[in-house]
Amino acid sequence: QSVLTQPPSTSGTPGQTVTISCSGSNSNIESYDVSWYQQLPGAAPTLVIHRDNQRPSGVPDRFSGSKSGTSASLAITGLRSEDEADYYCAVWDNSLNGRMFGGGTKLTVL
Amino acid sequence: EVQLVESGGDLVQPGGSLRLSCVASGFTFSDYYMEWVRQAPGKGLEWVGRVNSKFKSYATQYAASVKGRFTISRDDSKKSLNLQMNSLKIEDTAMYYCVRDNWGYVNWGQGTLVTVAS
Repeated sequence: QSVLTQPPSTSGTPGQTVTISCSGSNSNIESYDVSWYQQLPGAAPTLVIHRDNQRPSGVPDRFSGSKSGTSASLAITGLRSEDEADYYCAVWDNSLNGRMFGGGTKLTVL
Repeated sequence: EVQLVESGGDLVQPGGSLRLSCVASGFTFSDYYMEWVRQAPGKGLEWVGRVNSKFKSYATQYAASVKGRFTISRDDSKKSLNLQMNSLKIEDTAMYYCVRDNWGYVNWGQGTLVTVAS
């Protein structure tokens, strides 16, 4: 069981906005930068958000990140079929002295 | 262009050993923390461990699930990252990814598959 809690699944229709949550604690999310990864079927993960809310070059501005206290969120606006993937949050945890991943959220575009 | 290329994955029996390697190009390898992340079939991502840069004395940290069995090392002259895996267990079966930490895992390798089975 992960120390970071994500919903196992979520869904939306094209054009909608979906939000994926990541709940942690003061030893991880509250203290360190959160990153988000997208993993398309059969592919290696790719970084979509780092430093809580920063988009790497090439990531569409439809993706945004936020953080408040011990929780973080990834929002995807203007949902597109190619956004269908697994999404993971990740952050350092100073009580475990290691990086933690959330359990992952499967996004389905209906 | 940044590239990370893993190798060394194989089928190994429980209790056996295996050494994975990752060769990097396209960036100043010695400046960055380098890490291993794995993913068991059909499961989520799991951090394995990391080796810090020369600026942090090449210190290492490991996940509790591999501590004492796995050793991460690097050779900056060869731009390579290594993962020595001993006392392998069935639950170590996974795709192993080499990643560069640059305020997040900006770069991932394609992965190398380790299967532990009798």
